[in-house]
Amino acid sequence: KAGVTQTPRYLIKTRGQQVTLSCSPISGHRSVSWYQQTPGQGLQFLFEYFSETQRNKGNFPGRFSGRQFSNSRSEMNVSTLELGDSALYLCASSLEAGETDTQYFGPGTRLTVL
Amino acid sequence: AQSVAQPEDQVNVAEGNPLTVKCTYSVSGNPYLFWYVQYPNRGLQFLLKYITGDNLVKGSYGFEAEFNKSQTSFHLKKPSALVSDSALYFCAVRENGGFKTIFGAGTRLFVKA
Repeated sequence: KAGVTQTPRYLIKTRGQQVTLSCSPISGHRSVSWYQQTPGQGLQFLFEYFSETQRNKGNFPGRFSGRQFSNSRSEMNVSTLELGDSALYLCASSLEAGETDTQYFGPGTRLTVL
Repeated sequence: AQSVAQPEDQVNVAEGNPLTVKCTYSVSGNPYLFWYVQYPNRGLQFLLKYITGDNLVKGSYGFEAEFNKSQTSFHLKKPSALVSDSALYFCAVRENGGFKTIFGAGTRLFVKA
């Protein structure tokens, strides 16, 4: 079974631009979560989607948004990019959205904002 | 609010020696605890989880973790470290009825040959 895939793997943008990241979960998984990983802050929760609905959201500004499609694929959008948005963005999928479900992570998208 | 603490930024151990990576947590209800490992330029890989039952949980690559409710800890252990275990380790917690996973800041493990 294929794992979680994320595209693109690397992105370079400039301040003020916007970016869209994509995540395809493991087949049959219906929950997708997004995380931002930076050296200083570790892994920070962005949001979780289940059945096309956002179920939970972390403490990030409204510039960060996401959505989930009927096939469970998810996209994350960041508008008006800032230098501090440079990070590794990780997507994780799980079968359901229960608290005991194991999340499986993709390789991440490394975003660099210049 | 739930939280996770990994008190050590880095752990150094010699190959063949036992290793421990520490994790403490805070949740209002029953905790569901996870350990993940991240190798360079890779996503996180699931190692093990505690849901209920036996306090000693066995996972991938010979790792195990001990759940201690009174000390609110979930330390990761391995009896004999390998150089290939060198990586970044994350502890995570989710509380009963919660849908958000909180990760610790990570502990970098160096295993020296």
